[in-house]
Amino acid sequence: AQSVTQLGSHVSVSEGALVLLRCNYSSSVPPYLFWYVQYPNQGLQLLLKYTSAATLVKGINGFEAEFKKSETSFHLTKPSAHMSDAAEYFCAVSRGYQKVTFGTGTKLQVIP
Amino acid sequence: EAGVTQFPSHSVIEKGQTVTLRCDPISGHDNLYWYRRVMGKEIKFLLHFVKESKQDESGMPNNRFLAERTGGTYSTLKVQPAELEDSGVYFCASSHRNGSAGELNEQFFGPGTRLTVL
Repeated sequence: AQSVTQLGSHVSVSEGALVLLRCNYSSSVPPYLFWYVQYPNQGLQLLLKYTSAATLVKGINGFEAEFKKSETSFHLTKPSAHMSDAAEYFCAVSRGYQKVTFGTGTKLQVIP
Repeated sequence: EAGVTQFPSHSVIEKGQTVTLRCDPISGHDNLYWYRRVMGKEIKFLLHFVKESKQDESGMPNNRFLAERTGGTYSTLKVQPAELEDSGVYFCASSHRNGSAGELNEQFFGPGTRLTVL
């Protein structure tokens, strides 16, 4: 079985501040891990993915995530928040071509 | 290359009515998935097609939901009769054919259909 836990359903940061969205996973086999973003009134967009090639994964829009096996974590970070980063972010896990299991989502608010 | 498309984008129906959602995957993608997000909850898997065959339908909530993928191209998800708790956003995703066992097959998501049952 596989699952992900996102800590914090809502996170607020000031514009220019560090963004840190937390995700812990559980998987019986080495997982593939993802972060998706959903902007208001839009679909799901892949931000980045971990496929075991490198533990530090860089994604779009300046986001990155680090896979830490010892902590079973895959936290998402961005050094400096921008107003356009306001959205809902989903951590997810899968094994190959099978279903994707999502976390409950974290809404990011960026305060000017 | 066109992405995954879904129709309609929004649907508002009365309890007891029937609604059919459509998903057109990326051309050439054998795998097609349906997911649902009920208000305030996580996005949950409903089912997975490989071409026209149901590979995994373990997430289908009950027999009021019927998914089809005739010809292995587009898919429909019918809810009949709709209940209030069926309200939510229904996402479709597609991916290319499977590689070796466990090989990542990235899923590309559509914009979703927002279903409201009154």
